[in-house]
Amino acid sequence: AQSVTQLGSHVSVSEGALVLLRCNYSSSVPPYLFWYVQYPNQGLQLLLKYTSAATLVKGINGFEAEFKKSETSFHLTKPSAHMSDAAEYFCAVSVLGTSYGKLTFGQGTILTVHP
Amino acid sequence: DAGVTQSPTHLIKTRGQQVTLRCSPISGHKSVSWYQQVLGQGPQFIFQYYEKEERGRGNFPDRFSARQFPNYSSELNVNALLLGDSALYLCASSTGGGIEQYFGPGTRLTVT
Repeated sequence: AQSVTQLGSHVSVSEGALVLLRCNYSSSVPPYLFWYVQYPNQGLQLLLKYTSAATLVKGINGFEAEFKKSETSFHLTKPSAHMSDAAEYFCAVSVLGTSYGKLTFGQGTILTVHP
Repeated sequence: DAGVTQSPTHLIKTRGQQVTLRCSPISGHKSVSWYQQVLGQGPQFIFQYYEKEERGRGNFPDRFSARQFPNYSSELNVNALLLGDSALYLCASSTGGGIEQYFGPGTRLTVT
């Protein structure tokens, strides 16, 4: 079975500062990894995904993440935070098999951006 | 193109009642998954359907059931509602491979 741990339920940064949201995964087989963003009272929007191609993945809104197998990590970064980045972020893992890509999510990290 | 749509947006039910939630996938997507998101937690997988067949089931009681129709839309049914069923119910659609899932806005269910 796979699992995801997001380190830090709340992260606070200043506008223009680096954003770093941490995600570690556990999977017995090569995983697919995802970051989703959720704005208040909305569904989930896919930011980026890792599907065994390049280990550095670029997504929307200037976000990127690096897959590090040796560290079982998939941390999300953005060089310069914007006020509009304030939201909740979820890391998720999936493996194709009998469940055809069931997503297992972490607990989420709420990002606050201060002016 | 329209994204994943869900109805209703919100609903309030009483303990013991039954509820049906609806989802329409993105055009061309044949797989639909349902997730439950309790306040303050990440979404939890409930069901996945592909071509009208159940492909996966999460750790939820038999009070939860679902089905997929020939047009690939889906319904999630919950019987004998409990207070703990209060949550945001998310539907996601994907192509047959199911790798990349696109989520709808969710249905907020409140059980009183």
